[in-house]
Amino acid sequence: DIQMTQSPSTLSASVGDRVTITCRASQIISNWLAWYQQKPGKAPKLLIYRASSLEGGVSSRFSGSASGTEFTLTISSLQPDDFATYYCQQYDSYPITFGQGTRLEIK
Amino acid sequence: EVQLVESGGGLVQPGGSLRLSCAASGFTFSDHFMDWVRQAPGKGLEWVGRTRNKANSYTIEYAASVKGRFTISRDDSKNSLYLQMNSLKTEDTAVYYCGRDRPYYYDISGHYAYYYFIDVWGKGTTVTVSS
Repeated sequence: DIQMTQSPSTLSASVGDRVTITCRASQIISNWLAWYQQKPGKAPKLLIYRASSLEGGVSSRFSGSASGTEFTLTISSLQPDDFATYYCQQYDSYPITFGQGTRLEIK
Repeated sequence: EVQLVESGGGLVQPGGSLRLSCAASGFTFSDHFMDWVRQAPGKGLEWVGRTRNKANSYTIEYAASVKGRFTISRDDSKNSLYLQMNSLKTEDTAVYYCGRDRPYYYDISGHYAYYYFIDVWGKGTTVTVSS
């Protein structure tokens, strides 16, 4: 199985900050990676697919990039609504696997 | 509006069974692969399994943790996805989400493939396995 390792597990930041979350795959996944945002008690929401393609209707403050087996999600200027948990997911091969999540909290 | 609504969750004893349903609307259900994903209390997301569409022979993939105990099925005439859960364990306690898959067409040098990711999620239904 492909292991997805996110860092950090928790990130404290302030409104207006630029933040980056990293996800590392245990083997090559050829950029078949998605990012999801989840708020407490809610379903996940798709933000990014194919490592860097922004889902329609998602703020352009969100961006994704890839370098080999390392992937990053960047939020350019944090807004109050962005404080949530973020998950990466690989869909290159079965079983589909998620990172353990990064909780973004208000400093 | 594209919508997925799960139902059927509840409290069940270890070793028991439960059947979850996911009602789809707002899109052509029969065209899409569909997934189940679960989330244990306070934990991360865990993929449970996927059913492909008729064009792909309705084949199914499962996570190792549920293979042999859970069965995914669909009824395209009812726009519905199902998850039959047998031999339930306390560690199956979770919120269960259904998800719609979007295909991404990939062509390189004449060889092509589709890759699928979840683009729409239901709100989930809670399953508690406890004595």
